[in-house]
Amino acid sequence: EAGVAQSPRYKIIEKRQSVAFWCNPISGHATLYWYQQILGQGPKLLIQFQNNGVVDDSQLPKDRFSAERLKGVDSTLKIQPAKLEDSAVYLCASSLRDRGHDEQFFGPGTRLTVL
Amino acid sequence: QQQVKQSPQSLIVQKGGISIINCAYENTAFDYFPWYQQFPGKGPALLIAIRPDVSEKKEGRFTISFNKSAKQFSLHIMDSQPGDSATYFCAASMGYQKVTFGTGTKLQVIP
Repeated sequence: EAGVAQSPRYKIIEKRQSVAFWCNPISGHATLYWYQQILGQGPKLLIQFQNNGVVDDSQLPKDRFSAERLKGVDSTLKIQPAKLEDSAVYLCASSLRDRGHDEQFFGPGTRLTVL
Repeated sequence: QQQVKQSPQSLIVQKGGISIINCAYENTAFDYFPWYQQFPGKGPALLIAIRPDVSEKKEGRFTISFNKSAKQFSLHIMDSQPGDSATYFCAASMGYQKVTFGTGTKLQVIP
């Protein structure tokens, strides 16, 4: 079974530039999550999709971050404009259903450096 | 109330020793407590999980001990091996709510 795919793996940008990350979840997984993991911290949920609908985006900085999951499969996360404090690893995860108890499978992440 | 506090931040253990990582929570509504293991350059992967109706769960060399009254739970790694060197995250969730992660413990097992 193929895992969660993410691209790019690394990205370096200047502050105020825009950037986009892509995620393809495990086939058949209804729920997709985007996490931000700052160095030395645990992952923080940014947004959760159930199919193509948003379940939780309470911690998404909506003035600069946006995400979509068209057709309920793959997803993109965009930052525009980026700030220095956005430097982090952005993890995508998927689970079979929309339940906290369902195992979440994580991708390798995209490491973003904002200069 | 949604926080999960984890300690220590880092841990060095001799090969064959026992690694112990502790976590504490405040929200008594949490009903699922997973532990994740993360290797450098990889995403976290579920290691073992427990529900509050049991006090201990063991899978191979990994054991979760759960103290509901103290609102604490811990991960014990028996016979620690260099391959166990990774960052470990405790976490908690309730029902359909999001998973809240601890701050992580970087474990180094030295030969």
